[in-house]
Amino acid sequence: LAKTTQPISMDSYEGQEVNITCSHNNIATNDYITWYQQFPSQGPRFIIQGYKTKVTNEVASLFIPADRKSSTLSLPRVSLSDTAVYYCLVDPWGNAGNMLTFGGGTRLMVKP
Amino acid sequence: NAGVTQTPKFQVLKTGQSMTLQCAQDMNHNSMYWYRQDPGMGLRLIYYSASEGTTDKGEVPNGYNVSRLNKREFSLRLESAAPSQTSVYFCASISEGLNYGYTFGSGTRLTVV
Repeated sequence: LAKTTQPISMDSYEGQEVNITCSHNNIATNDYITWYQQFPSQGPRFIIQGYKTKVTNEVASLFIPADRKSSTLSLPRVSLSDTAVYYCLVDPWGNAGNMLTFGGGTRLMVKP
Repeated sequence: NAGVTQTPKFQVLKTGQSMTLQCAQDMNHNSMYWYRQDPGMGLRLIYYSASEGTTDKGEVPNGYNVSRLNKREFSLRLESAAPSQTSVYFCASISEGLNYGYTFGSGTRLTVV
């Protein structure tokens, strides 16, 4: 399974764009990249998933370069409610049934 | 649509006591997982079940047992609780398709004294 590396923490201010980068140097051809968000006292919540180039939904954008050895989660115009831990996972296509592990995540603090 | 339901939400045990954490999902997912999360840490996989009738060990299985009772339910049992098992336990299930990811329960906060 591909190992991921993320910054332990980041600070930002309301209204700014936040970019969180995840390194996954040994990503395999059939691996997808998935990001989760976790608020205190809650389970993680799926945010976005992608394979290459750019994916955008109502919550975030995900940028994946051609070599796929890293990915960047972009949160536009963050608010205080975006304060959370963000996890990057790399898992095979058709991921159900596999042993999937979470790393330590990136703790984002949004300040007024 | 309730998603993933965990019971109980809170529990205090004495060292050596046993208990079972219950998890049920109503999304017809084949795969279910149990994670633990210690304060300020990431999630660590205890056990998972790829389908009804199968279970496999994760990263930290010692001290735990699981049962995949049917497609909906996946329980986690602590036979003899230890203070090191004080943690928040999350159950999750996952769709076979892309762009759905894990669905997590709200967690069980367990304290072993």
